Amino acid sequence: QKEVEQNSGPLSVPEGAIASLNCTYSDRGSQSFFWYRQYSGKSPELIMSIYSNGDKEDGRFTAQLNKASQYVSLLIRDSQPSDSATYLCAVTSWGTDSNYQLIWGAGTKLIIKP
Amino acid sequence: GAVVSQHPSRVICKSGTSVKIECRSLDFQATTMFWYRQFPKQSLMLMATSNEGSKATYEQGVEKDKFLINHASLTLSTLTVTSAHPEDSSFYICSARGGQSYEQYFGPGTRLTVT
Repeated sequence: QKEVEQNSGPLSVPEGAIASLNCTYSDRGSQSFFWYRQYSGKSPELIMSIYSNGDKEDGRFTAQLNKASQYVSLLIRDSQPSDSATYLCAVTSWGTDSNYQLIWGAGTKLIIKP
Repeated sequence: GAVVSQHPSRVICKSGTSVKIECRSLDFQATTMFWYRQFPKQSLMLMATSNEGSKATYEQGVEKDKFLINHASLTLSTLTVTSAHPEDSSFYICSARGGQSYEQYFGPGTRLTVT
């Protein structure tokens, strides 16, 4: 069974520090990797996508991918209280009927302490 | 870009009635739309995948006769919860992808309460 694993947290980080979120996946065939942010009671919002090994930076966010280790991470620099949310890792996969779908981690709850 | 709307945002209905939820891609053509359900403090659960003009593909354990999905155009998909019961109360969220992209963009969700 294809799986995506995340530490459920909560992960508590002081304001201004770097928050580091991690995710491992089981399907070696996965090619696309995403981080979504979900505030309580709201729907997920795409914040980063990464497709090749290495780092990808977008503002305060950096996604890191290591396909050999089947590992993807998200770094948030200069953490702000507004970054407090659940972060979902999602990985592409192909179902038995060749339909594309995302396999979702359960999410890591991040709390930024002022 | 990549805006998805969903309507209604909240709905309360009586047990035994049907509820229709609309999902629209506003600024792109959605080749595939997805319907998820999320219970409080739980992860997203994919219910079904629909491609425009085709029958939806339901995940194991999701009753296709209870959750009717129609994806009649490249910008609109609907989910109808038929004969709703209190256990169907949940947060229903649609998402959409366009073209060759694997990114999914989510609507704001519909909170269904069945009394």
